[in-house]
Amino acid sequence: ETGVTQTPRHLVMGMTNKKSLKCEQHLGHNAMYWYKQSAKKPLELMFVYNFKEQTENNSVPSRFSPECPNSSHLFLHLHTLQPEDSALYLCASSQDYRGETQYFGPGTRLLVL
Amino acid sequence: QKEVEQDPGPLSVPEGAIVSLNCTYSNSAFQYFMWYRQYSRKGPELLMYTYSSGNKEDGRFTAQVDKSSKYISLFIRDSQPSDSATYLCAMSERQAGTALIFGKGTTLSVSS
Repeated sequence: ETGVTQTPRHLVMGMTNKKSLKCEQHLGHNAMYWYKQSAKKPLELMFVYNFKEQTENNSVPSRFSPECPNSSHLFLHLHTLQPEDSALYLCASSQDYRGETQYFGPGTRLLVL
Repeated sequence: QKEVEQDPGPLSVPEGAIVSLNCTYSNSAFQYFMWYRQYSRKGPELLMYTYSSGNKEDGRFTAQVDKSSKYISLFIRDSQPSDSATYLCAMSERQAGTALIFGKGTTLSVSS
């Protein structure tokens, strides 16, 4: 499999559930990103990992917890989410973290009830 | 003032029309410019990128950058229904520790 993959593609969860989103990149990149995309809003950068180290956390609530065990895998752990967290969550990767071209996965569409 | 401004549309054109999509920006340090296409319920895919000012052509698509005016454009010739998507501009300073800055995206609909 090539490119950036994300699982699951769709997720429905209650506000008390705990779930995790998974991202895997097969491009040999060193930087990985989590974005939130809501209707009528620009992409919101949530987290950046460069060489497995978290370099950006854009004031994201603690109910979102990222994990990067290696340069190829990225997780987003979710717990006690709110309905306004319903959105498309996109993972991306780039060669390095210096404004390089990013390659996106298909996204996980999350609905919080 | 937002860093990147992009008219969200929607923009509706008939098949075969020439489409012009635009973004303006305020940061004069931006030097790397990209256009992404995003189909409904999919992730954005890279369409074109240019470095600094000038034009770049790829088939029916032409990307244009005017750094003096802080203005970038994407032209689509002979538009097709399959071009119906949201187009996002993105740009960066291309420096260590910097991320891409995205526009909100313009939704394009091409009718047959």
